[in-house]
Amino acid sequence: DAGVIQSPRHEVTEMGQEVTLRCKPISGHNSLFWYRQTMMRGLELLIYFNNNVPIDDSGMPEDRFSAKMPNASFSTLKIQPSEPRDSAVYFCASSPGRLTDTGELFFGEGSRLTVL
Amino acid sequence: GDSVTQMEGPVTLSEEAFLTINCTYTATGYPSLFWYVQYPGEGLQLLLKATKADDKGSNKGFEATYRKETTSFHLEKGSVQVSDSAVYFCALKELTGGGNKLTFGTGTQLKVEL
Repeated sequence: DAGVIQSPRHEVTEMGQEVTLRCKPISGHNSLFWYRQTMMRGLELLIYFNNNVPIDDSGMPEDRFSAKMPNASFSTLKIQPSEPRDSAVYFCASSPGRLTDTGELFFGEGSRLTVL
Repeated sequence: GDSVTQMEGPVTLSEEAFLTINCTYTATGYPSLFWYVQYPGEGLQLLLKATKADDKGSNKGFEATYRKETTSFHLEKGSVQVSDSAVYFCALKELTGGGNKLTFGTGTQLKVEL
C-alpha cells in the first residue's frame, strides 16, 4: 500500500523565490498535517486539515506561508517569498479520522528545503 | 498549552546495553502518550502508545509506562541493537478547540555501537 507521498524530496532555492511543497495523503485518511523539523526547534505543527478544511493554522509562522487542500488526495504548502531561516525538513502526515481513536499519524519521508 | 520534555541526546550505547530515554509532560487533562521513531532519511512512525494512567505500551522490545503521579512516559529497552539507532520522539495527544493534535518533544538521538 502506498504511504504518504511528498514531493520534492529535496529543494534548493534562492532567497526570495517561491517554494511549493506537495503531499498526497493515504487514501481514505481525512486528516492531514504539515510539520516542520529543524535542529533548533524540533518538530513543529504548522497546520492541519480535517475533511479538506483547515482546522488549526496557529503554527504557521507568518503570512509568507500558506497551505491548501483542494481535495482529499492533495495538499500544498507554499512559501513566498522564501528566506534562509525557512530551511528545514517539512513533513506531511495523515490519519484516519481526527486522531480520536488511535492517535496514530502516518508520515511521509519529508521534503528537505534549503534556501540560500 | 500542553508540552513534552525529553532528555537531550545523543545517547550512545553499546549493543545489548539497557536503554532509558526520559520523557515528562505537562497537560491540563489526561492526554494519550506516544513514542515515535525516526530512522535516518525517513519520516516518523509510531512505536508505541498508552492512553490512560498505568497503561504500558510495548512494541519491538521497547516499552513505556504512563505514570500520572510523575507525569512521565520513559522509554526502555532491555537490550539494544545497532538497528535501533534512530531519533526517538515522545508525544502527547491533546484536545484543542478544533480537534485533536499531536505535540512532539524535541527528539532524542540514539546511537548503538558494536
